[in-house]
Amino acid sequence: AQKITQTQPGMFVQEKEAVTLDCTYDTSDPSYGLFWYKQPSSGEMIFLIYQGSYDQQNATEGRYSLNFQKARKSANLVISASQLGDSAMYFCAMREFLNSGSSNTGKLIFGQGTTLQVKP
Amino acid sequence: DGGITQSPKYLFRKEGQNVTLSCEQNLNHDAMYWYRQDPGQGLRLIYYSQIVNDFQKGDIAEGYSVSREKKESFPLTVTSAQKNPTAFYLCASSFASGVYNEQFFGPGTRLTVL
Repeated sequence: AQKITQTQPGMFVQEKEAVTLDCTYDTSDPSYGLFWYKQPSSGEMIFLIYQGSYDQQNATEGRYSLNFQKARKSANLVISASQLGDSAMYFCAMREFLNSGSSNTGKLIFGQGTTLQVKP
Repeated sequence: DGGITQSPKYLFRKEGQNVTLSCEQNLNHDAMYWYRQDPGQGLRLIYYSQIVNDFQKGDIAEGYSVSREKKESFPLTVTSAQKNPTAFYLCASSFASGVYNEQFFGPGTRLTVL
C-alpha cells in the first residue's frame, strides 16, 4: 500500500499567487515526521519544511507553510507568492520512528512527486 | 563549506560492467543513504548505514552493494546483476539520532547503461 500519496502529477500557478500541493500519508505509527523537498531540473533535493506528528502548530518557513490535518492524514504544502524559481518537482516524504524497526534509521518514504510550473 | 559530494555527475556503463558511485560528506553525519530515482518518479531507498562498518538493505538492494569503511564515505557499486541500472542516484546523510532528522542530499549521479 502506498504510504505517501501525491495525487497531482502536475500543477500550474500564476506568478505571485499561492498554490497548494497535496500530500496524504498512511501510517499506524504514533510518532512520525513529514518532510517536503524541492527538486529543480538540476536534480538536487532541497529540504523545505518539516512537521512532526506531535507538533501542535503548522510548520512555516518563509513562503512555505504546511497545512497539517492529522485526523485526515494530510500534510499539504502551501507556497505563497509564487516565484518563477519555484518551478520544480516537489516531494512529500515521511519518516516513521517505531515501525521502521529502529527509532534511528532515518529512513524516508517518498511520494511520487508533483511538478509545479509557475507562469509569468 | 560543509556538504555532500557525489562523483561523477554523469556515468556511462556498458552492459555487464560493475561501476562505483562515490559519495562523501563532511557534515559529521552518522547516517548515510543511497536512493534511486527513475524519470518522473519518487526516490526509492537502496541501502543505508547508521554507523561505520554497518549497513542495511533498503527496498531495492538487489544488484547493488555498498561499504562504509569511513564515516565520511559511502560508495555504491552497481553490479552487472542489476537488470535496469539506468537511473539518477542520490546520496544523502543525516544525524542518526533525534526526532527531527532532516536528510541532506548530494547533487546526484546520472547513470546510463549503453
